[in-house]
Amino acid sequence: EAGVVQSPRYKIIEKKQPVAFWCNPISGHNTLYWYLQNLGQGPELLIRYENEEAVDDSQLPKDRFSAERLKGVDSTLKIQPAELGDSAVYLCASSFAGLNNEQFFGPGTRLTVL
Amino acid sequence: GQNIDQPTEMTATEGAIVQINCTYQTSGFNGLFWYQQHAGEAPTFLSYNVLDGLEEKGRFSSFLSRSKGYSYLLLKELQMKDSASYLCAVRVNSGNTPLVFGKGTRLSVIA
Repeated sequence: EAGVVQSPRYKIIEKKQPVAFWCNPISGHNTLYWYLQNLGQGPELLIRYENEEAVDDSQLPKDRFSAERLKGVDSTLKIQPAELGDSAVYLCASSFAGLNNEQFFGPGTRLTVL
Repeated sequence: GQNIDQPTEMTATEGAIVQINCTYQTSGFNGLFWYQQHAGEAPTFLSYNVLDGLEEKGRFSSFLSRSKGYSYLLLKELQMKDSASYLCAVRVNSGNTPLVFGKGTRLSVIA
């Protein structure tokens, strides 16, 4: 079974440019998470979806970040415009209601803003 | 706020045993997870504890004491491939809620 798929794996852009990341969760997982991971730090939640509904987006900087999960499957995370401080790894994870609600992570997109 | 503490770095010898500690102070508790993350890769699930005690899975074991807000991950018979970051994470609320992660412990296994 395929795991969580993310693309692109790497992205380099200049500041003030827009950028978008894509995530395809594990089939059947209704919950999808976007996390931000800075170098030497643990992941921090940006937004969580239950199906197509964003149920926890309190940590998402809404002035420049946006996300969507159409049809409750794939999700995109967008930054417009990007700033130097946005350079980080953006991780997508998914889970389903089960014994321990384990979260499965994708490989992440490493963003570098110049 | 939520606070999860673990050592930043550890070094251990191939074949040895290492214990990585994690203490947490969170507004709620609904389980503690350990993840392994190799450089440039996704975190992968290692263990889950929700009740006090020891969970053993092959060379890896995880312990939890809810009254002390404390957990540890024990790695036995260390191999070079165990060099990675180990992330302690707490689920504060029930259900498919987000995890609160510590900063991770970077383990280096040397010959």
